[in-house]
Amino acid sequence: GQSLEQPSEVTAVEGAIVQINCTYQTSGFYGLSWYQQHDGGAPTFLSYNGLDGLEETGRFSSFLSRSDSYGYLLLQELQMKDSASYFCAVRDQSYQKVTFGTGTKLQVIP
Amino acid sequence: ETGVTQTPRHLVMGMTNKKSLKCEQHLGHNAMYWYKQSAKKPLELMFVYSLEERVENNSVPSRFSPECPNSSHLFLHLHTLQPEDSALYLCASSQAPGIQPQHFGDGTRLSIL
Repeated sequence: GQSLEQPSEVTAVEGAIVQINCTYQTSGFYGLSWYQQHDGGAPTFLSYNGLDGLEETGRFSSFLSRSDSYGYLLLQELQMKDSASYFCAVRDQSYQKVTFGTGTKLQVIP
Repeated sequence: ETGVTQTPRHLVMGMTNKKSLKCEQHLGHNAMYWYKQSAKKPLELMFVYSLEERVENNSVPSRFSPECPNSSHLFLHLHTLQPEDSALYLCASSQAPGIQPQHFGDGTRLSIL
């Protein structure tokens, strides 16, 4: 089967940088995605990595190393509104579906 | 309207009731999904539809019955649910099955008495 591991909780200070890691074990691999979900809200797409390397979108960046089955989401210049849960998700050989991690709850403190 | 819309937002039902959850997407996508989200668990994929045809059924109990009458609408019919079925049920859509990004609705918070 497939599994994704993320830290359950992370706390960081406003204005700082935080990295949320994700390791995965899957049968086949077709890309790693990141989603953000605020309490009571819908998950929203942040980024996708299909190939190794860094993808940057504003304050958010995502990295992938397929040889290490590892990726991370980097949030810079943290703002209070970044407090949310962050999920990594992998599209594996069951290419019609995506498996989600358990999520990392990020708390940004003043 | 834009995006993915789910109704109702909240639903309380007894174990013997029958109810339906509705999802509508206005994005022109060909794939739609139902997910279950419980506390401290990852999103669990329940069903995947591609152009109204079910392409994935993730070992979901028969008390959950999906219906996709067209590529814009998806229903989840509920019957004889159990207390452990209380959760947030999320609908999503994408251009094709498995393709990112998936666009999610706000979900239906379901409570089984």
